[in-house]
Parts: sequence; structure tokens; C-alpha cells
Amino acid sequence: DAGITQSPRHKVTETGTPVTLRCHQTENHRYMYWYRQDPGHGLRLIHYSYGVKDTDKGEVSDGYSVSRSKTEDFLLTLESATSSQTSVYFCASSPGQDTQGGLFFGEGSRLTVL
Amino acid sequence: KNQVEQSPQSLIILEGKNCTLQCNYTVSPFSNLRWYKQDTGRGPVSLTIMTFSENTKSNGRYTATLDADTKQSSLHITASQLSDSASYICVVSEPNDYKLSFGAGTTVTVRA
Repeated sequence: DAGITQSPRHKVTETGTPVTLRCHQTENHRYMYWYRQDPGHGLRLIHYSYGVKDTDKGEVSDGYSVSRSKTEDFLLTLESATSSQTSVYFCASSPGQDTQGGLFFGEGSRLTVL
Repeated sequence: KNQVEQSPQSLIILEGKNCTLQCNYTVSPFSNLRWYKQDTGRGPVSLTIMTFSENTKSNGRYTATLDADTKQSSLHITASQLSDSASYICVVSEPNDYKLSFGAGTTVTVRA
């Protein structure tokens, strides 16, 4: 499996505070993704990146921003956390755009917003 | 509206028994269909991937089938083991695109 690590793995924060989740991959994959997973829903794409400093929005991007300053790192930021952003966040990476070369997931970051 | 529907939502089976999970999708056209296994507290891990021209793909005791005409796929688990307890997710991708449609998953519990 691709080496993808997420940090922190667990975080509890209060409404209105900023939160940053970090994703680090060691496979030199060009594409990286942030998803959120909620009960009863499939994984939903928040933002993705197709190269250093190249990012775009997914289907549930409101309230989130991302940055990619290096190939291996993809940061997800919640500028002002809300209770609706309580979720499990997964980072993923793939070597190609169409993900046919594989889509590899991190272990997830569980965020609770009180 | 979710373009990938999975059934059942959950099931319990006895160790050693077989089970079949269903996935219906409306994504069209599509490039490939994958099944992922997600253990509790872990990230999803790929089990199988099939292109639109493939009918079946196996990975050990896991066998996936695809009927592109009816837009249905199934995942069959043979001789279940306790380690098969997990959520199984069906994922459909569009051609030449990063966009993936995820099902909500089927939670399988294998009991001794």
C-alpha cells in the first residue's frame, strides 16, 4: 500500500476555532484528495489537488480550504469549525487523474466540533 | 442523489458461510467499478477493480461480478472468516476523470 499518513488522527475542538489536518504521502503521487465520511453517506470529495499549488473544489467544499506547497503534503483547513463539520476525514492519493492506477487512502482523522 | 446504491445496509453471517453484497449504480458512462474493504477505524483498501468490459474479478475469497447492461455489481464472500467483518464500499468512476461516486457501504459482521 502507498505510504499515506494523516495527522492528527483524533481531534476535538470548539465551534469557531481554526483546524488544520495534514496529509503526507511518500509515493510521489501527483494527485491528492480530501474526503469526508459520515454515517449513511458515501465518501464525499471536499477538495483535490492535481499538482503543487494546483487545487480545485469537490462537491462539499464550502467551509474548507486546502494548500499543497510540496508534492508530498496536502493540508485541509477549516477556517472556523462548525458542528456540521464533525466527521471522519480521509486523505487519498493516486498516480494518475483517472485513478485507474489505484487510489490509496490514509487511516483517517476523526474530528469532533463541540 | 447518490448514484451508487448498496444493499443490504448491514448483515450478520456465521463464520464459514457465504454472502453476497449488491451494488446498483446510475453513473453513465463509467470507466471502472471497484470494491473496497474498510475495517473499523481504518481507511478503505481496494479489493477488486473491473472495467466496463469485464464480468468478474477475484481476489482470494472475494469475487466481484459486473453487469454493465443492468448497471449492477455484486461482491461474493466465500467461506467467511472473522477478519471479513468490515464495511464494503462500491465505487464507480467516470472516464478520464477524477470523479468517483461512492456507495454508503454494507457492514458485514461475521460471528463465530
